[in-house]
Amino acid sequence: ELKVEQNPLFLSMQEGKNYTIYCNYSTTSDRLYWYRQDPGKSLESLFVLLSNGAVKQEGRLMASLDTKARLSTLHITAAVHDLSATYFCAVDWVWTSGSRLTFGEGTQLTVNP
Amino acid sequence: NAGVTQTPKFQVLKTGQSMTLQCAQDMNHEYMSWYRQDPGMGLRLIHYSVGAGITDQGEVPNGYNVSRSTTEDFPLRLLSAAPSQTSVYFCASSYPAARGEQFFGPGTRLTVL
Repeated sequence: ELKVEQNPLFLSMQEGKNYTIYCNYSTTSDRLYWYRQDPGKSLESLFVLLSNGAVKQEGRLMASLDTKARLSTLHITAAVHDLSATYFCAVDWVWTSGSRLTFGEGTQLTVNP
Repeated sequence: NAGVTQTPKFQVLKTGQSMTLQCAQDMNHEYMSWYRQDPGMGLRLIHYSVGAGITDQGEVPNGYNVSRSTTEDFPLRLLSAAPSQTSVYFCASSYPAARGEQFFGPGTRLTVL
């Protein structure tokens, strides 16, 4: 059974600070996604990481994937209030009749002025 | 393109009632799936489909039925609602089949009394 663990689950940080969210998973996979969810809203795709060593950056967010360590990170640089949301990683793994996404529990990020 | 649409947005049921959550997409995606989101548990896969006429179970399929008669539609049926099915339900789709980035609908918030 695939398990996906995120930490921390709750993160309160000040504007301007840097921090990293970690996503560990238990089974081999070469594809990982990061999503953002605002309260009461749906999930918005942030990054698609397709291979070992993949690094993607968008604004103040940068995601990376290490398939050998089964670890992905989401790094926040100089946080701003608009980044407050819940962030999910999801691991794509091949099942008998297709592929399935298994989600982490989510990291609730609050950026304080 | 409307993307992935879901109806209704909100629903209140009494225990034992049945209902169908509707999901449609206009992107010609082969892969469609249903998730439920509960506090502190991320998203969990209920059922998925890799194409018209083909469905399979996810992590938490009990109490739910699906069918896929067309590429566009993937309804989720609750045969006899239980309070444990109170949750937010998201439908998602992707292309190409099985391993594409998934796009999520706006969600249906269901309460079972």
